[in-house]
Amino acid sequence: GAVVSQHPSWVICKSGTSVKIECRSLDFQATTMFWYRQFPKQSLMLMATSNEGSKATYEQGVEKDKFLINHASLTLSTLTVTSAHPEDSSFYICSAQTGWETDTQYFGPGTRLTVL
Amino acid sequence: DQQVKQNSPSLSVQEGRISILNCDYTNSMFDYFLWYKKYPAEGPTFLISISSIKDKNEDGRFTVFLNKSAKHLSLHIVPSQPGDSAVYFCAASATGSNYQLIWGAGTKLIIKP
Repeated sequence: GAVVSQHPSWVICKSGTSVKIECRSLDFQATTMFWYRQFPKQSLMLMATSNEGSKATYEQGVEKDKFLINHASLTLSTLTVTSAHPEDSSFYICSAQTGWETDTQYFGPGTRLTVL
Repeated sequence: DQQVKQNSPSLSVQEGRISILNCDYTNSMFDYFLWYKKYPAEGPTFLISISSIKDKNEDGRFTVFLNKSAKHLSLHIVPSQPGDSAVYFCAASATGSNYQLIWGAGTKLIIKP
């Protein structure tokens, strides 16, 4: 149980385009989803927290107009990187919490974004 | 200010022996601690957790020990297996923080045959 999927697993795009990444909880309803970014050889950096039906809470330094997060349902959250630039190239990982095990986060497999 | 610290960037252990991964924290409000395992280009996998009301939690080959007075926790893996080679992250959360996890930098564990 507690499986989280991400799509796509990797994407290459041109600078200036937008990319959408989906995060789905497959066998549970996720009251809260988190989006992380990982730079090479560094720990996970929390970008934002989203609760279903409400606006995402962004961490300091994360541009909310650039990284649009939509948590449309209890099983789906999307991260859209708008007007992507090469410095946005990174590994993006989502996680989800179940409603009854709120301290443990279950992670998706991650999405590798490369902006040319 | 790093609230969760994993001071060993890497650790090499012989197969079959015990692996001990350490984690220190500075925020006394943390009351829940988790260990995750991560392979390259994959999302972290939850391993084991411990609440601050306990000092030990065991699950198969994995045991987590918590020393609140020292603000220190450790993950013991015994016996170590080749498939345990990965990066291990320690994470902590505090009640009332919307369950956000504060991550350590990770320790790369290498199991030697």
